[in-house]
Amino acid sequence: DAGVIQSPRHEVTEMGQEVTLRCKPISGHDYLFWYRQTMMRGLELLIYFNNNVPIDDSGMPEDRFSAKMPNASFSTLKIQPSEPRDSAVYFCASTFNGLAGGWGTDTQYFGPGTRLTVL
Amino acid sequence: EDKVVQSPLSLVVHEGDTVTLNCSYEVTNFRSLLWYKQEKKAPTFLFMLTSSGIEKKSGRLSSILDKKELFSILNITATQTGDSAVYLCASSGTYKYIFGTGTRLKVLA
Repeated sequence: DAGVIQSPRHEVTEMGQEVTLRCKPISGHDYLFWYRQTMMRGLELLIYFNNNVPIDDSGMPEDRFSAKMPNASFSTLKIQPSEPRDSAVYFCASTFNGLAGGWGTDTQYFGPGTRLTVL
Repeated sequence: EDKVVQSPLSLVVHEGDTVTLNCSYEVTNFRSLLWYKQEKKAPTFLFMLTSSGIEKKSGRLSSILDKKELFSILNITATQTGDSAVYLCASSGTYKYIFGTGTRLKVLA
């Protein structure tokens, strides 16, 4: 398996522009997570999906952030309009929490991340 | 509020030393405790612990969980420069994974 795939790997944009980050989870995984990592705040969970349905978006910073998962193999995280404080590395991760193991009994597999710089 | 706290924040040792990294957690409906190693890229999985007192080992790394005292330790023996990284601890609870801020380990040759 190719693992979790994210694109782009690097994104530099200007304040006010729309940014779209993309993620392809590992095939067969039923949970998908979006994280943001900064030096100041560490790794923060933004939102996660189960079977393509958003379950908890309480970590999304504000209305400028939105995430979708139109099918089991694709998710997007959109920031509109972007601001300099959104600069961070955004990770997507996936896991399988099927009936056998139940929630939290399997590891998360992280994608390589998207380094976002908003000027 | 759920939280995971790691200590120390950073550590500098020499090759061959043994290090112990600490992780304490307060998580609603605890399910598991995970350790990750992060170099200049995405976190990579090391261990997942669900039961108290059972040590997990992988080469020079080992980890154990104490569910009564709500902490875990990660031991690295005979450290090498390749062990230099940020080590992240995370706990899964009520449909959440909470990460600590990490311990930055630097191993000098």
